Amino acid sequence: DAMVIQNPRYQVTQFGKPVTLSCSQTLNHNVMYWYQQKSSQAPKLLFHYYDKDFNNEADTPDNFQSRRPNTSFCFLDIRSPGLGDAAMYLCATSRGDSQDTQYFGPGTRLTVL
Amino acid sequence: GESVGLHLPTLSVQEGDNSIINCAYSNSASDYFIWYKQESGKGPQFIIDIRSNMDKRQGQRVTVLLNKTVKHLSLQIAATQPGDSAVYFCAENMKSSYKLIFGSGTRLLVRP
Repeated sequence: DAMVIQNPRYQVTQFGKPVTLSCSQTLNHNVMYWYQQKSSQAPKLLFHYYDKDFNNEADTPDNFQSRRPNTSFCFLDIRSPGLGDAAMYLCATSRGDSQDTQYFGPGTRLTVL
Repeated sequence: GESVGLHLPTLSVQEGDNSIINCAYSNSASDYFIWYKQESGKGPQFIIDIRSNMDKRQGQRVTVLLNKTVKHLSLQIAATQPGDSAVYFCAENMKSSYKLIFGSGTRLLVRP
């Protein structure tokens, strides 16, 4: 059974048109993460929520926002997608301990036209 | 569109041979390490982990070795199969943090 679910798996948007990506989890984990991954690169952390506390990475552009309405769901909003935002977006979850394993969803492939 | 990515180091092995994928980690304060497998178009999948109080851990067909002296981690895959073809990432977790720092990845190609 899928534990970290991402929808949609593929998203096409137009330059400048806002888009929202969705993540849900059945693990009841405290922490939910959003990563951006470009071709042949490691995942790059954008931000994470520990429960309701939002933690932004210093180099994440303002164009990227996130919401976590409850434990199970977390959203990634891209306010004005540019061509450079085309990437795979990965959601992950973890308990929030030290020595903590992160579990990833299947990802959403974003194309910007 | 998506920018051109860096060229990933690639390891090519014959089916049935053993594979060894290496990773140099960055922080001597890291105390937990994970290997992930990522197949094309999918999210990273947990393979095996190791804590810093160990130097070896074995799973099914996989072994992780940790050398803290030189900050080196390796993943050994026994009897490599075509389904092992993927990109492999090591990740480190610093003490008192739950965030991961990812290595740059290695592409494993298995020749039939």
